[in-house]
Amino acid sequence: LAKTTQPISMDSYEGQEVNITCSHNNIATNDYITWYQQFPSQGPRFIIQGYKTKVTNEVASLFIPADRKSSTLSLPRVSLSDTAVYYCLVGDRGDYKLSFGAGTTVTVRA
Amino acid sequence: ETGVTQTPRHLVMGMTNKKSLKCEQHLGHNAMYWYKQSAKKPLELMFVYSLEERVENNSVPSRFSPECPNSSHLFLHLHTLQPEDSALYLCASSQASGVTDTQYFGPGTRLTVL
Repeated sequence: LAKTTQPISMDSYEGQEVNITCSHNNIATNDYITWYQQFPSQGPRFIIQGYKTKVTNEVASLFIPADRKSSTLSLPRVSLSDTAVYYCLVGDRGDYKLSFGAGTTVTVRA
Repeated sequence: ETGVTQTPRHLVMGMTNKKSLKCEQHLGHNAMYWYKQSAKKPLELMFVYSLEERVENNSVPSRFSPECPNSSHLFLHLHTLQPEDSALYLCASSQASGVTDTQYFGPGTRLTVL
């Protein structure tokens, strides 16, 4: 699995857009980029997955530049309930070991 | 009942006890996982089952013993645990056992070993 690096923590206010960048310099050709969200004392929850360019769903957007060495998760207009840990994972279909790392703790304030 | 369920949600046990954690998935998935999450630490993968066959045992001590009787149920049998085994134990399932397959997690069992 490709190693990922993301900020330890980020602070934001309600209504703002939060962008979390994940670096994955040794991403392989077949690797996908997946983001999970975890609230305290709960299991992680899938947010979004992409391979290249931009992916958008009802929760977030994922921006992946052409070189795919990084990706940015964008959370539009966050609310207090978006306070959580966000994990960036990189791997292909042959990998079954999800390597969560420390994640990014996002704290949204009123 | 939907998704992935885990019982019990909380468990306190002594070091000489034997207990079991249960996980059940109602999603028709073929792969199931056990993870351990200690305080302030990343999730650690413990076991992976694909089509009821164990495909990964991530160097987990033998005091943790998994069992997967069918594709919907997963157990984690515990015996002679240590206080450092206190953690949140999470079960997950996915359609197949690949990183690109979304894993659906249960709410976890908060285990305290006295």
